[in-house]
Amino acid sequence: SYDVTQPPSVSVSPGQTASITCSGPRLGDKFACWYQQKPGQSPVLVIYQDNKRPSGISERFSGSNSGNTATLTISGTQAMDEADYYCQAWDSSTAVFGGGTKLNVL
Amino acid sequence: EVHLAESGGGVVQPGGSLRLSCVASGFTFDEYTMHWVRQAPGKGLEWVSLINWDGGTTDYAGSVEGRFTISRDNSKDSLYLQINSLRTEDTALYFCAKVAGIYLLLSEFDSWGQGTLVTVSS
Repeated sequence: SYDVTQPPSVSVSPGQTASITCSGPRLGDKFACWYQQKPGQSPVLVIYQDNKRPSGISERFSGSNSGNTATLTISGTQAMDEADYYCQAWDSSTAVFGGGTKLNVL
Repeated sequence: EVHLAESGGGVVQPGGSLRLSCVASGFTFDEYTMHWVRQAPGKGLEWVSLINWDGGTTDYAGSVEGRFTISRDNSKDSLYLQINSLRTEDTALYFCAKVAGIYLLLSEFDSWGQGTLVTVSS
């Protein structure tokens, strides 16, 4: 089965840039997307098809995907960005989620 | 506005069964593939199952295949998940999720419900 791996946590200071990685074999050959989940809430799509932003998502969120790694980048990180972030890709008809990364804004 | 409302969760003993429902509104339900995704308490997201727009294609995670059955009733804008032979490891919040692309099987999830909690315990 196909697996993608994320770091359990990333810390960033307010106003700085946060990068969250998602690694898997030849992940760059697939589309990756990213979800933000705050405590007690449902996931929200923040990046799809590697680097596209849904309507209503801040321009501070961007994405890339190449080789074995997809990256979610949050520029000018704000306290409101503190959340769990999950990457997701497709392996055949199975949605594969990373284990999630807790973004701490310190 | 898209709205997905799950129901049917509860506390059930190991080996028991439940039927989860998800009622959709705000979009043309019969044009979209729908999925179930679950999240165990304090854990990450786990894909469970999908059903395409007309119900003709379904798929399941290996951990639930043979025990869970996904279905839909487009006349009622409703999605279902019949879960049988429940195990303690099936304890989770079950979300229904809509894909973004019309008539696409595999597409990012652009809308999620609030989830319904299934607790398997003796």
